[in-house]
Amino acid sequence: SQTIHQWPATLVQPVGSPLSLECTVEGTSNPNLYWYRQAAGRGLQLLFYSVGIGQISSEVPQNLSASRPQDRQFILSSKKLLLSDSGFYLCAWSNPPRLARTYEQYFGPGTRLTVT
Amino acid sequence: AQSVTQPDIHITVSEGASLELRCNYSYGATPYLFWYVQSPGQGLQLLLKYFSGDTLVQGIKGFEAEFKRSQSSFNLRKPSVHWSDAAEYFCAVGDNYGQNFVFGPGTRLSVLP
Repeated sequence: SQTIHQWPATLVQPVGSPLSLECTVEGTSNPNLYWYRQAAGRGLQLLFYSVGIGQISSEVPQNLSASRPQDRQFILSSKKLLLSDSGFYLCAWSNPPRLARTYEQYFGPGTRLTVT
Repeated sequence: AQSVTQPDIHITVSEGASLELRCNYSYGATPYLFWYVQSPGQGLQLLLKYFSGDTLVQGIKGFEAEFKRSQSSFNLRKPSVHWSDAAEYFCAVGDNYGQNFVFGPGTRLSVLP
C-alpha cells in the first residue's frame, strides 16, 4: 500500500531564516505531487504541483520554491522566511491520469510551521 | 476552471442527529467530486468520491453523498452523527484531466453530547 511521509511535524523558525520541508511517497511510481498551505482557520491553498522529476508548476507567486529531485520526493524551500509564511503545510500525491481512472489526492500528516 | 462553494462555515449538531453538509460546484463537464475530513492538526482523509455511475456514493465512517447534476451539488450526509465526527470537512472538484483540483473553504462540524 502507499504511504506518504512529511517531516518535520512541527517547526519554529525566525524571520529571515531558510526553510526546507520534505515529503516522500512510498508504494507508487510517477505520482503527481502537490504542496498546499493552510492558514489558521482557512481552506487549502495550492502552492506547487509536479507531474515528474524536475517539473514544477507554481500556483501562487511567493518567496517559496519547490523541487522534485527524485520521483517520490518533493521538497518545499525558502531562502528567507516571512511572518506570513506561518501555517500548516500539506503534501499530497495522486496517480497520474494515464494510470488511474480517478485522481483523488492522498495527504500526508502535515508540517506546522511557525515563523517568529 | 472549476470552483467549489460550501455555504456553511460552521454547523453544530447533537450526537445521534442526522447531518447534511452542502457542497456546490461549477464545472462545464462531468466533474470528479470528493469529500475529505480533517481532524485538528492532521492531514486530510478521503471520505468518498464520485466520478461516474450511481449518483449515490457510499464512503467510510458511515458517510454517503449524492451527486445532483441539475443542482450542481454533492452534499454529504450521515444518518447518525458520533462525537468523533467533529472535524473540518472539505468538498473538492477535479477536472477530467486529473490536473486541476479545487477545494472548497471547508465546513467545521461541532457535535454536542
